[in-house]
Amino acid sequence: GAGVSQTPSNKVTEKGKYVELRCDPISGHTALYWYRQSLGQGPEFLIYFQGTGAADDSGLPNDRFFAVRPEGSVSTLKIQRTERGDSAVYLCASSLTGNSADTQYFGPGTRLTVL
Amino acid sequence: QKEVEQNSGPLSVPEGAIASLNCTYSDRGSQSFFWYRQYSGKSPELIMFIYSNGDKEDGRFTAQLNKASQYVSLLIRDSQPSDSATYLCAVNMRSNTGKLIFGQGTTLQVKP
Repeated sequence: GAGVSQTPSNKVTEKGKYVELRCDPISGHTALYWYRQSLGQGPEFLIYFQGTGAADDSGLPNDRFFAVRPEGSVSTLKIQRTERGDSAVYLCASSLTGNSADTQYFGPGTRLTVL
Repeated sequence: QKEVEQNSGPLSVPEGAIASLNCTYSDRGSQSFFWYRQYSGKSPELIMFIYSNGDKEDGRFTAQLNKASQYVSLLIRDSQPSDSATYLCAVNMRSNTGKLIFGQGTTLQVKP
C-alpha cells in the first residue's frame, strides 16, 4: 500500500512569504505528526493530531506556525512570515492509533529553504 | 541536559564487526523506545522498538533497555557497508501521546 506522501518535495521561498506544506498519511491511520529536522540534528516534534484535533501542539515554535487536519486525513502545515531560521526538512509521520507503542511511519519530507 | 542524548560519532567499524550505539534519556517515566535508521537525504525508517527492560533481538539487531540507568542501546551484529547511516534514538515520554523525542543521531560507518 501507499506510504506517507508529502508535497512539495522542495520549496524555496523568500523571507516574509507564506507557505503551505501538505501531508497525506497512510490510509486508516488516525494519528498524524509533524516534525522538522535541521542538518545534523534529529527530528524535532512540532504537533500531533488524533483524528481532526490537535492533541499536542507543544512543539510549534511560535504563532507563525499553524497546522490543520479538517477531515482527519490530509494535513497542512502553514507557516506565515517565513524567516531564514525556518529552513529545514519538514517531516510528516502517521501511525495507526497514536498510542505510545505505535510505530510512526515517516514521509519523504519537504525541504523548505527561506532565502 | 538534553532529553535524549546520543554521541554524534562518526562511529567507524570494519565489515563483519559488532556496532554498538548508545542513547540516554532524561525522563525516568519514559514508556517506549525506538531506533530509526536514516540514510543521507532520506526519511527515518523504524528498525526496532522496545518497551521492557532487557534485550530484544530481531535478526542482526538487538535492542537493550535499562530503565534504572535510563539507557537504551542498539547492537548490530555482522555489520555490513549497507548499514552505514545515521541511527536515531527516539523516546516516548508519556503514555497518552505518540509524541517522540529524538536524539541527534549517531553516524555509523561500516568499512569494507
